[in-house]
Amino acid sequence: GQNIDQPTEMTATEGAIVQINCTYQTSGFNGLFWYQQHAGEAPTFLSYNVLDGLEEKGRFSSFLSRSKGYSYLLLKELQMKDSASYLCAVLDSNYQLIWGAGTKLIIKP
Amino acid sequence: IAGITQAPTSQILAAGRRMTLRCTQDMRHNAMYWYRQDLGLGLRLIHYSNTAGTTGKGEVPDGYSVSRANTDDFPLTLASAVPSQTSVYFCASSDSRRFSYNEQFFGPGTRLTVL
Repeated sequence: GQNIDQPTEMTATEGAIVQINCTYQTSGFNGLFWYQQHAGEAPTFLSYNVLDGLEEKGRFSSFLSRSKGYSYLLLKELQMKDSASYLCAVLDSNYQLIWGAGTKLIIKP
Repeated sequence: IAGITQAPTSQILAAGRRMTLRCTQDMRHNAMYWYRQDLGLGLRLIHYSNTAGTTGKGEVPDGYSVSRANTDDFPLTLASAVPSQTSVYFCASSDSRRFSYNEQFFGPGTRLTVL
């Protein structure tokens, strides 16, 4: 079966750095997405990785290792507005997105 | 409109009633999707459409039907609602012809409660 695992909840301090991990086992791989979802809102796109390595975009970076079936999202200089759920999703061999359950990130002052 | 819209925003429905959730996009995306999101679970695909006139079943299609008469609209129908269909429903669209990059854009969601 297809499976995506990520921690259910994480807590971090404002101004700090946090890393959210995602491991996956899917039928085929055509890229990995990270989305951000604030409570009561729709998911919004953060990043896309299809090749191994680190993609940096401002305070957010995303890393992929295809051989390990592993990705992480790195958030730097945390702000209170970063409190949200972070969803990992893999595009499988049928070009369908398989979603993890999401990681709820709580930022404390 | 700009992007993707859904209606209604929320709805309370008696079990056994028929309900259609509406979704419209103006981005000319070829692909559209319906997901449900339940607490503790990831987004689960109900139905999808890769192009107008075609539809396909996702992970949890039972009790739901869709149609795609044109590019812009993708309604989801619950023929006879049951309490287990209480959920938040998201419609999404993408330009899936760009197979290497299938970013999905989401509507604001419909919160449905079936009593």
